[in-house]
Amino acid sequence: DAKTTQPPSMDCAEGRAANLPCNHSTISGNEYVYWYRQIHSQGPQYIIHGLKNNETNEMASLIITEDRKSSTLILPHATLRDTAVYYCIVRVVSSGTYKYIFGTGTRLKVLA
Amino acid sequence: NAGVTQTPKFRILKIGQSMTLQCTQDMNHNYMYWYRQDPGMGLKLIYYSVGAGITDKGEVPNGYNVSRSTTEDFPLRLELAAPSQTSVYFCASSLTPNTEAFFGQGTRLTVV
Repeated sequence: DAKTTQPPSMDCAEGRAANLPCNHSTISGNEYVYWYRQIHSQGPQYIIHGLKNNETNEMASLIITEDRKSSTLILPHATLRDTAVYYCIVRVVSSGTYKYIFGTGTRLKVLA
Repeated sequence: NAGVTQTPKFRILKIGQSMTLQCTQDMNHNYMYWYRQDPGMGLKLIYYSVGAGITDKGEVPNGYNVSRSTTEDFPLRLELAAPSQTSVYFCASSLTPNTEAFFGQGTRLTVV
């Protein structure tokens, strides 16, 4: 079962920041939070990941709460090409290796 | 650099037929994964491999088999196709469990 909960859909105006929330209240201390997105029916694309510190890269920022029970992905200046399904994933340790457990994601629509 | 390549892109099978979905990567990644994605849902892990000769079950392995004889290739076998296996199948690879996973473009399979 997925360890994350996300809103099913969100809209964002082009040029504005898109803030996508994720709840992962049962996360364990050594489990990372990953974000991927899927445009149309293509293969998912990696965005960013983190453990407990906030992270930033050229695509986005990841803000993780101090208790690690939730996080927010921020796309600072959303464009129409950012319209996609965004998955917040907890990477779990199982049988000695790591697995991504996907939820149903948030469908972000960027509006012109 | 091709990344992760999946073949075929589309396939229609009759109930009871068998087929192999091919996946190859040219990044020398040890970790490889097979996921399936049903309409409107997130990805579910079928099988994964941590290196040549080593495979293990994911969340939904029933009805599938895998092998990993080389680092590059990770084929997924369906022995007796059933309508419940109608889905989009994604192969992915990563260098380590901690690094980003690269996904192929998917194989859309319909069982009739």
